[in-house]
Amino acid sequence: AQKVTQAQTEISVVEKEDVTLDCVYETRDTTYYLFWYKQPPSGELVFLIRRNSFDEQNEISGRYSWNFQKSTSSFNFTITASQVVDSAVYFCALSEKGDSSYKLIFGSGTRLLVRP
Amino acid sequence: KAGVTQTPRYLIKTRGQQVTLSCSPISGHRSVSWYQQTPGQGLQFLFEYFSETQRNKGNFPGRFSGRQFSNSRSEMNVSTLELGDSALYLCASRGLGTDTQYFGPGTRLTVL
Repeated sequence: AQKVTQAQTEISVVEKEDVTLDCVYETRDTTYYLFWYKQPPSGELVFLIRRNSFDEQNEISGRYSWNFQKSTSSFNFTITASQVVDSAVYFCALSEKGDSSYKLIFGSGTRLLVRP
Repeated sequence: KAGVTQTPRYLIKTRGQQVTLSCSPISGHRSVSWYQQTPGQGLQFLFEYFSETQRNKGNFPGRFSGRQFSNSRSEMNVSTLELGDSALYLCASRGLGTDTQYFGPGTRLTVL
């Protein structure tokens, strides 16, 4: 069965620290997509990144970077030099495609608190 | 481009009532999906609509239903509300040929 596990429920860091959010997934599909979303207190899920199963290159976008490793079924997210504005709940998700429809399977989320 | 919009943002109902939530996707997007978010169950997929047809449905009772109009706007309806239906309901839209879903701000439903 498809499953996404975010074992870290809450992480608290001091501003400017680096922090890594872990994501482990399970799927039987050979073609799949992984996502990270950020949910600030306002509630809206903000799209951060999409990675397909054939592209294991790491990606960096400003202070954000993602490490995708198929061998360990992990798609971890690192924030470098964290800022207070990074405080939010972060969700990792796996896209399950079936019969031309797309369904996201979410992990339980990691609440990140960045203290000044 | 304007993002996904959802109305209303907040709603309070009592048990047994029904409710209709609305979602307008990003212009040009024809796929709309709905998700329920609760503290206990997390984010769960409700259903997806594409070109006015339901493409997929999550594991929810028949009290949860939806539809999509020709302009891609979507509504979801919950009948005979229960306390456990209190949740944040999120709508997401997706463009053709992509699987990235963009979410709206959500409708927070409270059932008393």
